[in-house]
Parts: sequence; C-alpha cells; structure tokens
Amino acid sequence: AQRVTQPEKLLSVFKGAPVELKCNYSYSGSPELFWYVQYSRQRLQLLLRHISRESIKGFTADLNKGETSFHLKKPFAQEEDSAMYYCALTETSGSRLTFGEGTQLTVNP
Amino acid sequence: AAGVIQSPRHLIKEKRETATLKCYPIPRHDTVYWYQQGPGQDPQFLISFYEKMQSDKGSIPDRFSAQQFSDYHSELNMSSLELGDSALYFCASSPSRGNPETQYFGPGTRLLVL
Repeated sequence: AQRVTQPEKLLSVFKGAPVELKCNYSYSGSPELFWYVQYSRQRLQLLLRHISRESIKGFTADLNKGETSFHLKKPFAQEEDSAMYYCALTETSGSRLTFGEGTQLTVNP
Repeated sequence: AAGVIQSPRHLIKEKRETATLKCYPIPRHDTVYWYQQGPGQDPQFLISFYEKMQSDKGSIPDRFSAQQFSDYHSELNMSSLELGDSALYFCASSPSRGNPETQYFGPGTRLLVL
C-alpha cells in the first residue's frame, strides 16, 4: 500500500530565508506526486505536480526515485507562504490521492 | 472560473441522525471524489465516481453511501451518525481528459455530530 510521510508537522522560518518541506513516499510502482496547499480558511489548492516540472510561486519540487522523496523548496520564503502544505500521491491518473500528514509552514516577518 | 461547490458548508447533527452532503463538480468534470478530514488529520479517501459509476472505494463506513447523478453532481449520505463522524468532508472533481490526475477541491462541509 502507498504511504506518504511528512516528518515535520510544524516549520517556522523568517522572511527571506530558504525553506524546504520534506516528503517521502513508499510505493512499489511509479506514482504521480503532488503538493497541495491550504491557506487559512481556504480550500485545498494544487501547488505542484511532479510531471509538470514547473515552478509555482517560487516553489519547486524534484522527484528523487532513489530516495523516494519529493521535497518542496523555495529559496526565499514570503509571509504569504504561511499555510498548510500537503504532499500527496496517486497510483495512476484519475485515482485516489493519498496524503501526508501535512506541514504547517509559518513565515515570520 | 467556476470551482467545485459543496453544500451545506456547515452542518450540526445529533447522534443517530442522518446527513446528506452535496457536491457540484466543475463543469465538464465527470469524476468526483470524497475525502474525510478529521481534526488535525490528513484527508482520507472515501469513495469516487466516474461517469455515474463507482470507480474506487476507500475507508468508507457501511453507514455511508454515495452516488453520482446524471448532471454529475454527487451526494454523500450518512446514516446513524456517530460522534467520530465529526470532520471536514471534501469533495474534489477532475476531468477524464486533459489533466485527469489533477483533482480540484471544494471548500468542504464541516460536520459536527453532537
């Protein structure tokens, strides 16, 4: 069975500092990995998909199959980045999402 | 752009009562997913529908049932409610073509069982 692990429930950084949110997964096949973000009192929003290899709001994430990781990074954190971040995977397109426990990021001024 | 709509946004019920949650997907999305998020927990998959047929089933209690209608909206029916059913229930939708793997989430229905 697939599993997603986010080891940090809480992460606090200062504005302008680099930030890395860790995500590890276990799955025997080739999963599709995502990062979802939930700002205060808002719905879950897709931030990144590994297949897109894109940068959204300055965030990037690289899939490392050897380490089974999909860490989210941003070189200079902003206060508006404060939110709950969930790493998630699916086995195949259109199938269920399995979420990690989430990391609450706080960016201090 | 239109997003996923869920109703009601908040619901308070007593133990052993029933509840119906509704989800209206983004236009032209034919796949709907339901997730349950307990306090301080990550979202857990319950069930999904594609073209009005159940496509996958997760940790959904037998007391719960769901269906997708001809207009693609979906309803989650919950009976014999228990205190532990108190949670945020998310609905998500995705298109079967284009980017099928991207699920777009609604704002959720917060259910409180007293």
